[in-house]
Amino acid sequence: EAGVVQSPRYKIIEKKQPVAFWCNPISGHNTLYWYRQNLGQGPELLIRYENEEAVDDSQLPKDRFSAERLKGVDSTLKIQPAELGDSAVYLCASTPRTSGTDTQYFGPGTRLTVL
Amino acid sequence: GENVEQHPSTLSVQEGDSAVIKCTYSDSASNYFPWYKQELGKGPQLIIDIRSNVGEKKDQRIAVTLNKTAKHFSLHITETQPEDSAVYFCAASRSRGTSYGKLTFGQGTILTVHP
Repeated sequence: EAGVVQSPRYKIIEKKQPVAFWCNPISGHNTLYWYRQNLGQGPELLIRYENEEAVDDSQLPKDRFSAERLKGVDSTLKIQPAELGDSAVYLCASTPRTSGTDTQYFGPGTRLTVL
Repeated sequence: GENVEQHPSTLSVQEGDSAVIKCTYSDSASNYFPWYKQELGKGPQLIIDIRSNVGEKKDQRIAVTLNKTAKHFSLHITETQPEDSAVYFCAASRSRGTSYGKLTFGQGTILTVHP
């Protein structure tokens, strides 16, 4: 079974530029999460999707961050414009459809550097 | 919201020794406690988890204990090997209600196993 796929793996941009990250969850996983992991810290949830619906985006800085999951499969996270403080690893995770299953499977992440 | 504290931040052991990492949580409604291992350049990988209706769980060299009354849980690794060297994160979440599925992570423990 293929794991969570993310691209690109690395991205370097200058501040004020836009950037987008893509995630393909494990097949059949209806719940998808985006996390941000700052250097030396644990991941922090940005947004959670149940199929196409964003059910928890309370931690997403909506002035510059946006996300979508149009067909309930792949998802894109966008930052526009990027700031220096956005440098971090952006992780995508997914959870299977099975009821009562909480296990989140993480992708390798996208390391963003904002110069 | 939930707050998870993890100690120690770094842990150095000799191969074959045991390693123990401890976490405390604040939200009494949390009922799912996973442990993740993260190697350099990779996403977190689940190594073991425990639910609030269980006090202890073992999987080969890895065990987790949970004390709901004291709101703390611990990871125990026995007979450590150099390949156990990584960053370990504890996390907590609710399985129902608001904030369902939102993992709150500890700050991480850098484990180094010396040959």
